[in-house]
Amino acid sequence: GAVVSQHPSWVICKSGTSVKIECRSLDFQATTMFWYRQFPKQSLMLMATSNEGSKATYEQGVEKDKFLINHASLTLSTLTVTSAHPEDSSFYICSASQGSNSPLHFGNGTRLTVT
Amino acid sequence: DAKTTQPPSMDCAEGRAANLPCNHSTISGNEYVYWYRQIHSQGPQYIIHGLKNNETNEMASLIITEDRKSSTLILPHATLRDTAVYYCTYRVNTNAGKSTFGDGTTLTVKP
Repeated sequence: GAVVSQHPSWVICKSGTSVKIECRSLDFQATTMFWYRQFPKQSLMLMATSNEGSKATYEQGVEKDKFLINHASLTLSTLTVTSAHPEDSSFYICSASQGSNSPLHFGNGTRLTVT
Repeated sequence: DAKTTQPPSMDCAEGRAANLPCNHSTISGNEYVYWYRQIHSQGPQYIIHGLKNNETNEMASLIITEDRKSSTLILPHATLRDTAVYYCTYRVNTNAGKSTFGDGTTLTVKP
């Protein structure tokens, strides 16, 4: 149980275009999901907390207008990278849990390459 | 934010126990310690978590000190497939229980 599916697993896009990444909790409901970004040889950096039915909470230094988060249902959160630039190329990972004292379960990540 | 400190790297011989330490001196009394591992280019995998008592599951054991300021993850019989980056973290009581990650420990299991 507690499976998180992330799609797509990799994407290549041109500079200036937008890319949407989906994160689904397959066998549980998640009122909260988390989005992370990871650069090569670095740790996971928390970008934002996605809250079902309300606005996301962004970490300091993360542009909310560039990284749009929508959490329209208890099983789906999406991250849209708008007007992508090469410096947005990274590994994006989502996670969800069954409660605030439960483990996080992670998707397999999305590798974004902006050319 | 959750602040944890781990050694950057460790080696372990295949078949031997791997003991990975973590310092989390800023943890609050009711915040659980969680351990995850990440194999290259994959999402992190949950291993184990605990509050006060030692815990064991099919993957590992977790030893938490009495003052809860540190813990040790034990892989009892490491295999080559256990080579990964291991992270300890905790979910803060506020902000929907978010977790921030430190640099983790790169464990290399050698034949």
